[in-house]
Amino acid sequence: DVKVTQSSRYLVKRTGEKVFLECVQDMDHENMFWYRQDPGLGLRLIYFSYDVKMKEKGDIPEGYSVSREKKERFSLILESASTNQTSMYLCASSFRTEQFFGPGTRLTVL
Amino acid sequence: GENVEQHPSTLSVQEGDSAVIKCTYSDSASNYFPWYKQELGKRPQLIIDIRSNVGEKKDQRIAVTLNKTAKHFSLHITETQPEDSAVYFCAALFSGGYNKLIFGAGTRLAVHP
Repeated sequence: DVKVTQSSRYLVKRTGEKVFLECVQDMDHENMFWYRQDPGLGLRLIYFSYDVKMKEKGDIPEGYSVSREKKERFSLILESASTNQTSMYLCASSFRTEQFFGPGTRLTVL
Repeated sequence: GENVEQHPSTLSVQEGDSAVIKCTYSDSASNYFPWYKQELGKRPQLIIDIRSNVGEKKDQRIAVTLNKTAKHFSLHITETQPEDSAVYFCAALFSGGYNKLIFGAGTRLAVHP
């Protein structure tokens, strides 16, 4: 059974703080993804990675960066959190086409 | 750029009725189209998918149809039950590689007993 975990279910941060969201998968998947989910906008891709130390920008990368030092772990970094980054963040991993999602982190930036 | 449009954004049906959700995509080279279901407070999970070499696929009460010429695909749920209530997302695989999916905005389906 594929397991994708995220470090926090809920997170509250202040404007300007640096925020780290961690994602870990246990199925040796090459591909990992970070999405944000907002009502009426669906799942929007922030960044993805298809190999260790590799990263590609998604559709909305501004204000975010990522790190993939190990195959199983993909981190999303908000360098200086802003209120418009308040959202649900979902991590996913895949070997081929099917993506397996983590439980999500609901981030609130005050 | 690549885009997936999904309609309707909300759908309300009576238990036992059918529900249809429609999506169109822009990348004519897309060849894989999954549907994800997200129940309240839970993670999205794949419920059915279709590849471009077939026009229809069924799994019990769920079916997906694909019209490649029109770049259009649909999810059909028959004999709906209250546990079908969820947000449904369609997606299309980006042909540029990396197994990147482009998602629709989602449809909130409510099945009333």
